[in-house]
Amino acid sequence: SQQGEEDPQALSIQEGENATMNCSYKTSINNLQWYRQNSGRGLVHLILIRSNEREKHSGRLRVTLDTSKKSSSLLITASRAADTASYFCATDGWDKVIFGPGTSLSVIP
Amino acid sequence: DTEVTQTPKHLVMGMTNKKSLKCEQHMGHRAMYWYKQKAKKPPELMFVYSYEKLSINESVPSRFSPECPNSSLLNLHLHALQPEDSALYLCASSQDPRQGTETQYFGPGTRLLVL
Repeated sequence: SQQGEEDPQALSIQEGENATMNCSYKTSINNLQWYRQNSGRGLVHLILIRSNEREKHSGRLRVTLDTSKKSSSLLITASRAADTASYFCATDGWDKVIFGPGTSLSVIP
Repeated sequence: DTEVTQTPKHLVMGMTNKKSLKCEQHMGHRAMYWYKQKAKKPPELMFVYSYEKLSINESVPSRFSPECPNSSLLNLHLHALQPEDSALYLCASSQDPRQGTETQYFGPGTRLLVL
């Protein structure tokens, strides 16, 4: 399976701290995406990083990609209570996006 | 307009009912998707429509019947569902089906309960 696997499954931090989530995958990819999902809602696209990119930033988000290790990380800096959500990495399969199991992030005010 | 809308937000149906879920986008996207998501699990792809034609069916039971009447609308017809079909059903769209692994825009979902 080319499915990404997130680590940790759950993460609880204090507001203001940084949160780091990791994603590993098994086969070569063209791109990797991160999505956020608030409880019971639709997914929101956060960032897409291509296989020839090593790092990408968007506001308080920083994504890295290491294709040699087949892994990616999502860093959320200066976390806020509103960042509480599930975060999924998604890798590109042959003709579709495949979502990993997700990391549940709780940011405690 | 960067929004994907889904109706209804909630649906309760019996196992003998027929109901439909509706999804709409006005971003000019030519790929549309149905996903099923169980609690604390990632979305699972069900169907993909590319230029209004069904391009992927992930071996979904025939009690789920998708329809794409035009490039902006996507329906999912439900008939004789089972309690295990209770889930959040998500619709998504993306710009170009030839780049099917690019950014997808999701609707808020329909929470379905089958009794």
